[in-house]
Amino acid sequence: SQKIEQNSEALNIQEGKTATLTCNYTNYSPAYLQWYRQDPGRGPVFLLLIRENEKEKRKERLKVTFDTTLKQSLFHITASQPADSATYLCALGGGTGGFKTIFGAGTRLFVKA
Amino acid sequence: ETGVTQTPRHLVMGMTNKKSLKCEQHLGHNAMYWYKQSAKKPLELMFVYSLEERVENNSVPSRFSPECPNSSHLFLHLHTLQPEDSALYLCASSQVEGPYGYTFGSGTRLTVV
Repeated sequence: SQKIEQNSEALNIQEGKTATLTCNYTNYSPAYLQWYRQDPGRGPVFLLLIRENEKEKRKERLKVTFDTTLKQSLFHITASQPADSATYLCALGGGTGGFKTIFGAGTRLFVKA
Repeated sequence: ETGVTQTPRHLVMGMTNKKSLKCEQHLGHNAMYWYKQSAKKPLELMFVYSLEERVENNSVPSRFSPECPNSSHLFLHLHTLQPEDSALYLCASSQVEGPYGYTFGSGTRLTVV
């Protein structure tokens, strides 16, 4: 079955450093991959979408890479701030999954001042 | 507010009760979704409506019954739930013609007692 793996352990980093989160997937050939931010008790907020034919996408301090050979995406936050502390979700859609978008369980990020 | 409004924010119901969750969007989106989020687990897709037709029913028990009267409104009718149905229920919307990210509501925190 289709599976998405995100590091279940929380990531703790110092303010100003680059945070790197990983998303791996198996049994799936998605047409696109998305990253969301979720704060406690709130719904996820869409951040970035990258298509299967794109290697990298940037938005302000965010950068996403997508390697369909490794079946992996990396999500980077540069110059991290305490306000970046949240859970970050990876989601895959299209391709062999059809209309569905399936989500990973997320990685909790803590940025210390 | 994200543009997707869910009510109520919190709901406590007994196993014999009948209740409904409501979702409303005025973003002009033509697809709407129900997801279930349990602690430490990925979002689970429950139902998808595209152009007001149900296109996905992800093996959800019949005690959950969706309704989409128009492209702006989505309901989830609940009856004879079990304690394990306690979770955060999230509604989302998007454009079918995409791919685009989803816009989520803040969710309904449901507790079944």
